[in-house]
Amino acid sequence: KQEVTQIPAALSVPEGENLVLNCSFTDSAIYNLQWFRQDPGKGLTSLLLIQSSQREQTSGRLNASLDKSSGRSTLYIAASQPGDSATYLCASPGGGGSEKLVFGKGTKLTVNP
Amino acid sequence: NAGVTQTPKFQVLKTGQSMTLQCAQDMNHNSMYWYRQDPGMGLRLIYYSASEGTTDKGEVPNGYNVSRLNKREFSLRLESAAPSQTSVYFCASRAPMVRVYQPQHFGDGTRLSIL
Repeated sequence: KQEVTQIPAALSVPEGENLVLNCSFTDSAIYNLQWFRQDPGKGLTSLLLIQSSQREQTSGRLNASLDKSSGRSTLYIAASQPGDSATYLCASPGGGGSEKLVFGKGTKLTVNP
Repeated sequence: NAGVTQTPKFQVLKTGQSMTLQCAQDMNHNSMYWYRQDPGMGLRLIYYSASEGTTDKGEVPNGYNVSRLNKREFSLRLESAAPSQTSVYFCASRAPMVRVYQPQHFGDGTRLSIL
């Protein structure tokens, strides 16, 4: 059974800092690894999806990497801004089929001006 | 483009009451999902529908029923609400896999309190 873990649960950084969010998973035979952003009182917004055959994906200041052998993914945010403050969740299909996403509990990021 | 629309946004129920949460998507997606999000537990899948006419249980289906009314709509019903079902409920949809897996798109959630 796939388990997804995110550490730390919360992170506070000054504006402009580059930062890395971590995600680990137990089943390396994953279809993909997805990163989402959740703002307070809102739903999840898909940021990046790394297919199983890929090593990384980039979108603007965001870069996500995937290392299936070590069971780890990282989300790199460059030159952080206060608007990046949100909870970031990673997820991977697990439990017998690609329809069932298993989520980590998220990292709550605060970027201080 | 509205994406995934959930109604209502907020609801308070008494124990034992019934209620249906509505979800509609306008992206012509095949797959639809219902999740609940609880503090300390994260997001957990309740039910999903891979295509019109099919539904399957997720991780926490007990106490819930679903209906895939048509390709656009996927409803979640609580027949006899219990305080343990107090949560934020999210609906999501996903386009079919065409060579690569597609991301899920989420609604803004329904905040449900059961007294």
